[in-house]
Amino acid sequence: GAGVSQSPRYKVAKRGQDVALRCDPISGHVSLFWYQQALGQGPEFLTYFQNEAQLDKSGLPSDRFFAERPEGSVSTLKIQRTQQEDSAVYLCASSGNRVEQYFGPGTRLTVT
Amino acid sequence: KQEVTQIPAALSVPEGENLVLNCSFTDSAIYNLQWFRQDPGKGLTSLLLIQSSQREQTSGRLNASLDKSSGRSTLYIAASQPGDSATYLCAVFYNQGGKLIFGQGTELSVKP
Repeated sequence: GAGVSQSPRYKVAKRGQDVALRCDPISGHVSLFWYQQALGQGPEFLTYFQNEAQLDKSGLPSDRFFAERPEGSVSTLKIQRTQQEDSAVYLCASSGNRVEQYFGPGTRLTVT
Repeated sequence: KQEVTQIPAALSVPEGENLVLNCSFTDSAIYNLQWFRQDPGKGLTSLLLIQSSQREQTSGRLNASLDKSSGRSTLYIAASQPGDSATYLCAVFYNQGGKLIFGQGTELSVKP
């Protein structure tokens, strides 16, 4: 079956622009996670949804980061007024049981 | 603070060698531990998941062990092949909350 998909795969933004990153989870998975992976580092947790409820957003680095999952399926991670330090790979994962997470290919964001 | 550390950061071996990657975690109250593989520009592929009640898991040439009391896990790769070249990430899951906490990864290069 289809895995987790993310779009776009690559995004170049000028500093100060807003970006929106999309995640399509595995069908039927109630849990959805966003992670940020800087170059040469392991992924770091950003936020977690169960259905449409955002249960944990403790990892969002600033109020410029906002995530939503309005119908409990597709999720969007929005970054406002992008900064160079936002350059990273943004990974989405989904889970049917919260425990075992399946990852998408990621969106590589470069802020110039 | 819950932290995960992986040693070494990078490893280069000739084809055919057996090798061990190390992972340590500060809070031993884990629910499970997972080893992932990440190829350049790609997402994460789950290799092995060890529940907290288990001591090891095996899949083909891979064997992962878990010692909760000492806060350590190892990933053993037998008879390494050039196709094993990738970054290997260790991640722990705690029952409270839903996030995975990752190590920084070990970048493995297997030379033909």
